[in-house]
Amino acid sequence: SAVISQKPSRDICQRGTSLTIQCQVDSQVTMMFWYRQQPGQSLTLIATANQGSEATYESGFVIDKFPISRPNLTFSTLTVSNMSPEDSSIYLCSVEDQEGDRVANYGYTFGSGTRLTVV
Amino acid sequence: GEDVEQSLFLSVREGDSSVINCTYTDSSSTYLYWYKQEPGAGLQLLTYIFSNMDMKQDQRLTVLLNKKDKHLSLRIADTQTGDSAIYFCALVKAAGNKLTFGGGTRVLVKP
Repeated sequence: SAVISQKPSRDICQRGTSLTIQCQVDSQVTMMFWYRQQPGQSLTLIATANQGSEATYESGFVIDKFPISRPNLTFSTLTVSNMSPEDSSIYLCSVEDQEGDRVANYGYTFGSGTRLTVV
Repeated sequence: GEDVEQSLFLSVREGDSSVINCTYTDSSSTYLYWYKQEPGAGLQLLTYIFSNMDMKQDQRLTVLLNKKDKHLSLRIADTQTGDSAIYFCALVKAAGNKLTFGGGTRVLVKP
């Protein structure tokens, strides 16, 4: 399965500033996904990022707040802009994972997450 | 209502079996997953099942899928203290689509 390096692992930021989170994958992947996990909550998809096209955002998430870059098939960034305490969450990237037979071996691998605290 | 639902909490004694349940509404789901999240950590894929299967066993883990009732369960045999974590079920409708997660079940294993 793919190996994802996500950084930073955690950060404490001042409100009004921005933070860029990076995900590096050890193999080429078509689709990358960015999720948010608010404290004590489940994961919510922010957007889907394909290389060479604009990211597709889910309802409630906008590009101005969460700009995403996908410059190649192994890398993506998510920026949390103009942060407020409500943005304090864990942010995770994820990729589709396939080895061999697609039906028998299909899943999604996650990065270790970025724990963001906005003060 | 929510697309994927789980009970919030499960307490089990070490050595016993744990059963974590998940119900979903979308019958077109093709892949169904169980993820484990330990405190301060990311998500670890435990196992998955394809929608044309009823059961899958992988060492201490048994996944049961009842498509008629739209019910998915994860059984952990001989539960250990290291199994204490939050367990999420998740499903995808088709390849390349987004994962939809349940709310997570916090499992506490007591010695």
